[in-house]
Amino acid sequence: DAKTTQPPSMDCAEGRAANLPCNHSTISGNEYVYWYRQIHSQGPQYIIHGLKNNETNEMASLIITEDRKSSTLILPHATLRDTAVYYCIVRVGSNFGNEKLTFGTGTRLTIIP
Amino acid sequence: EAQVTQNPRYLITVTGKKLTVTCSQNMNHEYMSWYRQDPGLGLRQIYYSMNVEVTDKGDVPEGYKVSRKEKRNFPLILESPSPNQTSLYFCASSLLGRSLDEQFFGPGTRLTVL
Repeated sequence: DAKTTQPPSMDCAEGRAANLPCNHSTISGNEYVYWYRQIHSQGPQYIIHGLKNNETNEMASLIITEDRKSSTLILPHATLRDTAVYYCIVRVGSNFGNEKLTFGTGTRLTIIP
Repeated sequence: EAQVTQNPRYLITVTGKKLTVTCSQNMNHEYMSWYRQDPGLGLRQIYYSMNVEVTDKGDVPEGYKVSRKEKRNFPLILESPSPNQTSLYFCASSLLGRSLDEQFFGPGTRLTVL
């Protein structure tokens, strides 16, 4: 699976959009970009995933560059409950094998009141 | 409600005293997995299971055992715990072959081995 690079920490004002970047310059054509977050030692929580098109769900939007070497997770109106460590993970899709997720160090996002 | 449950949530024990951490999911998922999380090392996979009676080692299996006798349950067994197994443990599950779907994680078990 491709390696990802994320800033170690970011702050965002409450109510503003939080934009979390992720570099994955060695991504392969069959690899997807996933985002999970972990709120203070709770179990990681899935947010969103995408291949090459931009994606949006009720939690966030995922913007993937045309060359797929980087992506941005957008939380449109950040709240204090969004304070968490956010992990960008790149991996192949369905393989009927070990579905292991490889978590890097992530970005610690702090929402400021 | 779709969920993964773990018990106990917190456990303090002594070296050598066998223990079991239970994991159960109610989503009929084939795939289940155990991770441990340690500061500076991230989440590392211990064991995984692709279905009943099918288990395999992850990245850090030493000192652990698992079993998968029923689809919903995937207990983690520490036959002789040691202090280096003090960690935060997570169980996870998902549909097999549907890795595009989200993987569900349990709330975690914080284990301290004295």
